[in-house]
Amino acid sequence: DQQVKQNSPSLSVQEGRISILNCDYTNSMFDYFLWYKKYPAEGPTFLISISSIKDKNEDGRFTVFLNKSAKHLSLHIVPSQPGDSAVYFCAAFLTNAGKSTFGDGTTLTVKP
Amino acid sequence: EAQVTQNPRYLITVTGKKLTVTCSQNMNHEYMSWYRQDPGLGLRQIYYSMNVEVTDKGDVPEGYKVSRKEKRNFPLILESPSPNQTSLYFCASSSGAQYNEQFFGPGTRLTVL
Repeated sequence: DQQVKQNSPSLSVQEGRISILNCDYTNSMFDYFLWYKKYPAEGPTFLISISSIKDKNEDGRFTVFLNKSAKHLSLHIVPSQPGDSAVYFCAAFLTNAGKSTFGDGTTLTVKP
Repeated sequence: EAQVTQNPRYLITVTGKKLTVTCSQNMNHEYMSWYRQDPGLGLRQIYYSMNVEVTDKGDVPEGYKVSRKEKRNFPLILESPSPNQTSLYFCASSSGAQYNEQFFGPGTRLTVL
């Protein structure tokens, strides 16, 4: 039972355009959501997070939206840059339990 | 420099030969965790520790052991490795206040023949 799903294995966008990465979850008890970025041969790095009590969090070019009723979150990158090309993981957290669940990842390619 | 280190980075071993992958962090973080990454399966949590002497099972703990005797170290032990434990392993840590925003190590690629 995969509780966090990223249904698009890959996404390709043109430099300067918007990238939208999507994530769905099934467990309504998740209370914190995060996005991580991973380059080849490196560990994931934290990108942005959102608490379940919010519906939007913004950090520079990155914005995460949370729709609790739909159990859906998305990461918007505007404008996209070639250096954003990486694998993006969505993760959900049960803060009381300390458990985290990751999606399968979406490979983003930003073309110059 | 704040970091999470893992050793070894690459390991090829044979079935049944006990091994330990070390993980150390220099950020005085309370929370530490181990994950494995397999193609098409994302990152799956093996074990985590919310503080010294406290460990809990993640989603895929079978075949693994951990210990947390000191705050900075969180070794992953495979008592009798099997080929299905061939994977890329990541250690991560975070502070108690923000223990969901984890810092990851560089990964250990393990092959069990």
